[in-house]
Amino acid sequence: QVQVVQSGAEVKKPGASVKISCKASEYSFNNYYMHWVRQAPGQGLEWMGIINPTGSSTTYAQRFQGRVTVTRDTSTATVYMELTSLNSEDTAVYYCAGSASYSGTYYGYWGQGTLVTVSS
Amino acid sequence: DIQMTQSPSSLSASIGDRVTITCRTSQSISVYLNWYQQKPGKAPKLLIYTASTLQSGVPSRFSGSGSGTDFTLTISSLQPEDFASYYCQQSHSTPQTFGQGTKVELQ
Repeated sequence: QVQVVQSGAEVKKPGASVKISCKASEYSFNNYYMHWVRQAPGQGLEWMGIINPTGSSTTYAQRFQGRVTVTRDTSTATVYMELTSLNSEDTAVYYCAGSASYSGTYYGYWGQGTLVTVSS
Repeated sequence: DIQMTQSPSSLSASIGDRVTITCRTSQSISVYLNWYQQKPGKAPKLLIYTASTLQSGVPSRFSGSGSGTDFTLTISSLQPEDFASYYCQQSHSTPQTFGQGTKVELQ
């Protein structure tokens, strides 16, 4: 079972950007599609986007288009998610999660989550 | 986007109760429906995938059914560790949307 560890909590001011990392314990991680999912306080889960195993292709939810960038460094088995132009509504826990294929599958493992707080 | 309607949003139940949570999608997704359990401060945990397949290590009191647009998660006999939130999720197409969640509380 792949273990993934996300970077620590962040506090950002409105208008700033945040970049979160998700690092795996083994290189089989590089066979998986990686998703980013967020959860605002007391709210449900919201899918943000996906990156393929090589890092050559991404798909984002329409509401984050232009503000989110997901990248991948296969040499270090790490995936990154950058979100720009932060506002208070972006305060949430952000999770990375892995699946074996682009669709028709499930998220078999998750990071522990990273809390991003946006406050002036 | 595929819309997910999960119900109820919360329920109160007792140990040993049979609990049923439903999830309806706005268009057919075949069997590409997963169920996750989430406890406070923790990442979601996969329970059921492709509508009815029990994830390894998940107790057999959990079961899933359905296809097309209507799906059900059943807990046959609620245990103390089952008090949590539950989410359905479709993986048929992007964005891979989640239901709004169901919080299962102790009555």
